[in-house]
Amino acid sequence: DARVTQTPRHKVTEMGQEVTMRCQPILGHNTVFWYRQTMMQGLELLAYFRNRAPLDDSGMPKDRFSAEMPDATLATLKIQPSEPRDSAVYFCASGLPTSGGQTSYNEQFFGPGTRLTVL
Amino acid sequence: AQSVTQLGSHVSVSEGALVLLRCNYSSSVPPYLFWYVQYPNQGLQLLLKYTTGATLVKGINGFEAEFKKSETSFHLTKPSAHMSDAAEYFCAVSDPFNAGNNRKLIWGLGTSLAVNP
Repeated sequence: DARVTQTPRHKVTEMGQEVTMRCQPILGHNTVFWYRQTMMQGLELLAYFRNRAPLDDSGMPKDRFSAEMPDATLATLKIQPSEPRDSAVYFCASGLPTSGGQTSYNEQFFGPGTRLTVL
Repeated sequence: AQSVTQLGSHVSVSEGALVLLRCNYSSSVPPYLFWYVQYPNQGLQLLLKYTTGATLVKGINGFEAEFKKSETSFHLTKPSAHMSDAAEYFCAVSDPFNAGNNRKLIWGLGTSLAVNP
């Protein structure tokens, strides 16, 4: 049963500390998305990669957030330094371009999320 | 820019009653349309999608949705609610003709469905 895995599932840290979240996409998927979910903002796309190259990170605060794919089996999202307003659930999703009849789209498969609390 | 509106952030129904969750989009061309469900403390999973062809699409767990171009809507329905349907439901769209964005989804804010015994 292929699934997206994320670690850690929960993280509590203090303001100013570095946080690293990891994601293992489904084997063979070439697109990876990072989302942040909060009650106030809903689901926000932070960044996404295709074939390990960043395609769009316009949703990510660049001064403190960074996203990378060191290899095809690992995606990381790092926050340094963390702030209380970063508290949220962070989801990783992976996908493959799928024919939609006219152009392709990505059916996204989500991981269980990392619940981050910054005190 | 595309946008998605889910009318009603909270919907409550009785077990066995009809479920209707509303989704409207703004787009100059028919987009691809998706409904995802999120159970407590879990990630989102795809319920159903419309890309082309028949406008009434069926998904998992007895849900279905109908694409109505004239109304720019993609409402989600289920004839008879079950307690296990209690979850957050998200509508999303993508623009198939925007080469730069055709792999991104634009998300609604979600509708929380409560099912009362």
